Amino acid sequence: KQEVTQIPAALSVPEGENLVLNCSFTDSAIYNLQWFRQDPGKGLTSLLLIQSSQREQTSGRLNASLDKSSGRSTLYIAASQPGDSATYLCAVNPGNQFYFGTGTSLTVIP
Amino acid sequence: NAGVMQNPRHLVRRRGQEARLRCSPMKGHSHVYWYRQLPEEGLKFMVYLQKENIIDESGMPKERFSAEFPKEGPSILRIQQVVRGDSAAYFCASSTRSMVPNNSPLHFGNGTRLTVT
Repeated sequence: KQEVTQIPAALSVPEGENLVLNCSFTDSAIYNLQWFRQDPGKGLTSLLLIQSSQREQTSGRLNASLDKSSGRSTLYIAASQPGDSATYLCAVNPGNQFYFGTGTSLTVIP
Repeated sequence: NAGVMQNPRHLVRRRGQEARLRCSPMKGHSHVYWYRQLPEEGLKFMVYLQKENIIDESGMPKERFSAEFPKEGPSILRIQQVVRGDSAAYFCASSTRSMVPNNSPLHFGNGTRLTVT
């Protein structure tokens, strides 16, 4: 059964710092991996989707990488801003569903 | 272009009552997924539906829970005879095509927060 782990569980950084969030999964047989952000009391906002044949995807200040063979993905956030404060979730898709990690709670201090 | 719409946002039910959660997917999306999020836990898959068909219900409890996605109208997640342990946030997501092999991203609604008293 697929297990997704996100480290750290919580992270606090000063505004302007670059940071990396980590995601690992136990079964490398996936079709794609998706990164989301969740604000308190809200739904999930899709950030980036990486297909299994890709190694990275970029959107603005965000860059996500995927190393399928080692079961790892990272989300890099450049020049962090207070508005980036949220919980970041990683999810892998081996078929008809996504398996989610429990997320990294990010606080960017002004 | 409205996103995934879920209602109600908050639902309070007493033990033993029925809860009905509604989800209207994004325009043009015919694939719907339901997830449950318990406090301090990750999202857990419940069921995957296409119009008039249940594709995968492997995450759905065998009793009291059912889901449908009729030809017309929203998808409905129904919980009968609710218990306190059903209290959670229930999220609906939709995609344009099946995630496999089309790699269509999931788009989520804001969820329904169910409280059972």
